[in-house]
Amino acid sequence: DQQVKQNSPSLSVQEGRISILNCDYTNSMFDYFLWYKKYPAEGPTFLISISSIKDKNEDGRFTVFLNKSAKHLSLHIVPSQPGDSAVYFCAASATGTYKYIFGTGTRLKVLA
Amino acid sequence: ETGVTQSPTHLIKTRGQQVTLRCSSQSGHNTVSWYQQALGQGPQFIFQYYREEENGRGNFPPRFSGLQFPNYSSELNVNALELDDSALYLCASSLDPANQPQHFGDGTRLSIL
Repeated sequence: DQQVKQNSPSLSVQEGRISILNCDYTNSMFDYFLWYKKYPAEGPTFLISISSIKDKNEDGRFTVFLNKSAKHLSLHIVPSQPGDSAVYFCAASATGTYKYIFGTGTRLKVLA
Repeated sequence: ETGVTQSPTHLIKTRGQQVTLRCSSQSGHNTVSWYQQALGQGPQFIFQYYREEENGRGNFPPRFSGLQFPNYSSELNVNALELDDSALYLCASSLDPANQPQHFGDGTRLSIL
């Protein structure tokens, strides 16, 4: 049972445009969400997080939006740069469980 | 500030053998979590250690075990290796067990022949 789903395996975007990566979850107990970026042969790098008391969190070019009623979150990257090309994972956890559930990832390619 | 380091980077074992993977947590972090990442999948939670005690466990059999030491470094031990154990094993450390970003090492690639 995949509790965190990233339904788009890949996405291509032109440099300078907006990249939107999506993530859906099924467990209503999830209350903390994170996005990670992963380059080949490296571990995932933390990008940004959001708790369920907020619906938006911004950090530079990265913004995460949370829609609790739809059980959906998205990561916006503006403007996209070639160095953003990587696999992006969303992850979720519920208070008291201590484990983070990851999606299967979306491969983003930013074209120069 | 030293990040999370894992050793070895690659390892080849045969079925039935035992393996120990090591992780040094980021400076100041008291919590270590271990994940298994199969090809084309996201990381799957194995277990977490907080102040030398197991703090939570995913759906992995008892032949997956771990330790955390007083300096917060950690080991993952896997007994009776199976072909399906071939994967990237990731260690992540965090300031606290919950609601904190986990910072990952680059992983150990384990291949079972």
